[in-house]
Amino acid sequence: AQKVTQAQTEISVVEKEDVTLDCVYETRDTTYYLFWYKQPPSGELVFLIRRNSFDEQNEISGRYSWNFQKSTSSFNFTITASQVVDSAVYFCALSVVTGANNLFFGTGTRLTVIP
Amino acid sequence: DTAVSQTPKYLVTQMGNDKSIKCEQNLGHDTMYWYKQDSKKFLKIMFSYNNKELIINETVPNRFSPKSPDKAHLNLHINSLELGDSAVYFCASSQGRTATNEKLFFGSGTQLSVL
Repeated sequence: AQKVTQAQTEISVVEKEDVTLDCVYETRDTTYYLFWYKQPPSGELVFLIRRNSFDEQNEISGRYSWNFQKSTSSFNFTITASQVVDSAVYFCALSVVTGANNLFFGTGTRLTVIP
Repeated sequence: DTAVSQTPKYLVTQMGNDKSIKCEQNLGHDTMYWYKQDSKKFLKIMFSYNNKELIINETVPNRFSPKSPDKAHLNLHINSLELGDSAVYFCASSQGRTATNEKLFFGSGTQLSVL
């Protein structure tokens, strides 16, 4: 069975601090994809990144970076020099190639950046 | 132009009523989805359609009936509304047949409140 765990329910940081959002996943599939989505206060979920299970290179996009480690089944998300606009709920998700219903979301981490 | 638009944004209704939520995407995608987000922010898939064909039908009460008149539209009709149906309902779309390695584009959500 597939599962995504985001143990941090809520995190608060002061603006300009760095923050890491944790994501741990479980799957027996060898081919899978990992995602992060952002849900700002406006409500709409916005895609941030997709990684496949064969590419463990870390990725950096501006202030955002992602650390994928298969050895620990983790796909953590770091925001550097956080800003108030980063305040949102962040969802990690896992998709597998088997089965029709193959996208599983974590329960989300609410990040509040305090000015 | 909004890529995935759903209406209404807010829906307040009495128990026992029947209501519909409409969704349209102008991205030319083949697959559309309905997700339910409960009060704890947990996202769960309800249905997916690929080119008007039902692909995923999760364990959802048969009071919920999706209708896809064409691949750009996926509406959700709910009969005999119950208190437990109160949630935010998200429409989404993707290019491929399933969400396996696809980026999902979400609508802004419909907040349904059943009184």
